[in-house]
Amino acid sequence: DAGVTQSPTHLIKTRGQHVTLRCSPISGHKSVSWYQQVLGQGPQFIFQYYEKEERGRGNFPDRFSARQFPNYSSELNVNALLLGDSALYLCASSLGSSYNSPLHFGNGTRLTVT
Amino acid sequence: QQQVKQSPQSLIVQKGGISIINCAYENTAFDYFPWYQQFPGKGPALLIAIRPDVSEKKEGRFTISFNKSAKQFSLHIMDSQPGDSATYFCAARAPKAAGNKLTFGGGTRVLVKP
Repeated sequence: DAGVTQSPTHLIKTRGQHVTLRCSPISGHKSVSWYQQVLGQGPQFIFQYYEKEERGRGNFPDRFSARQFPNYSSELNVNALLLGDSALYLCASSLGSSYNSPLHFGNGTRLTVT
Repeated sequence: QQQVKQSPQSLIVQKGGISIINCAYENTAFDYFPWYQQFPGKGPALLIAIRPDVSEKKEGRFTISFNKSAKQFSLHIMDSQPGDSATYFCAARAPKAAGNKLTFGGGTRVLVKP
């Protein structure tokens, strides 16, 4: 079975640019969450989407946005990139939106902002 | 504001030894406590999880101990093997919170020496 797939795996952008990260959940999973993991730290929650609706938002600026498509895949968009946005961006999927649904993470997209 | 504090930041254990990682939380609304294992270049993988109505849960060589009154929980890795060398994250989730958002600890890098 295919796990959570993310693309691209690595990305280098310049400060001020825009970036789009993509995620395909495990087949049958309807919920997608995004996390930011800065080097040496634990992942931090950015967004959760379930059935194309935003179900949760973490403490991130409005430069961060996301959406979920009818096939349950998702995109994370970050505008006006800052050096501090350099991190591993993780996508996780789960069957449902409740706390009874374990999260399954992809291998992430490594974003470097120069 | 760090709601889940994890210690130690790193530990070295001999093959066959016991690795112990501790976490403390502040939010008494948390009611699901998973542990994730992360290898370099990979996303976190769910290892084992516990709910606060249980004081201990064991799966193979991995055991979670939970102390609700102290708001602490720990992961014990018995008979540690070199393949266990990874970064371990504790996490917590609250019901009725933002979807199924996880709050992670800062991580513990475990090195098992042969």
